[in-house]
Amino acid sequence: GENVEQHPSTLSVQEGDSAVIKCTYSDSASNYFPWYKQELGKGPQLIIDIRSNVGEKKDQRIAVTLNKTAKHFSLHITETQPEDSAVYFCAASHNFNKFYFGSGTKLNVKP
Amino acid sequence: DSGVTQTPKHLITATGQRVTLRCSPRSGDLSVYWYQQSLDQGLQFLIQYYNGEERAKGNILERFSAQQFPDLHSELNLSSLELGDSALYFCASSADPNTEAFFGQGTRLTVV
Repeated sequence: GENVEQHPSTLSVQEGDSAVIKCTYSDSASNYFPWYKQELGKGPQLIIDIRSNVGEKKDQRIAVTLNKTAKHFSLHITETQPEDSAVYFCAASHNFNKFYFGSGTKLNVKP
Repeated sequence: DSGVTQTPKHLITATGQRVTLRCSPRSGDLSVYWYQQSLDQGLQFLIQYYNGEERAKGNILERFSAQQFPDLHSELNLSSLELGDSALYFCASSADPNTEAFFGQGTRLTVV
């Protein structure tokens, strides 16, 4: 089955700096890669996703890149704000069937 | 608010008992997913339903079962509960199996 690894497990940045979270996956058949933000006491919230026919996708301060050859994808957050502090999860799926999640990255944005 | 409703929010029960968790998907969504989130296992996909039919199965124990009803709400049944079943259980829904899924707020299950 698929195996998704996520790094780092914790990330602390200064407000205004950029944050990068990386994930690797093992199954070359995976073709959908969402990123979720989970705040304390809440369910994961989809923040951006990318499909395998695209190399990069951007939505305001958030961007995701995908390297199918290397089987890794990354989340980039620019101009971080304290409200970006949360746990971020990457996931991989083949045709929206089973979803495999990374272990999460706790992002702390210091004001 | 994602529009996905899960009840109850919290549940405390004893080992060996059986519980039922309920999920109402977003209006119009036909697909429902169940996940378990525990400290040591992270987010684990359990099972997916689409329009009443099971579509994909993940790491769901035989003691657990689920179903999606004609009105599209779903229930996750957990039986012969063990201490290790204590976790957050999330439901997510999507319009169809090929679109992004939105999560509910979860049910926190504590087995004592």
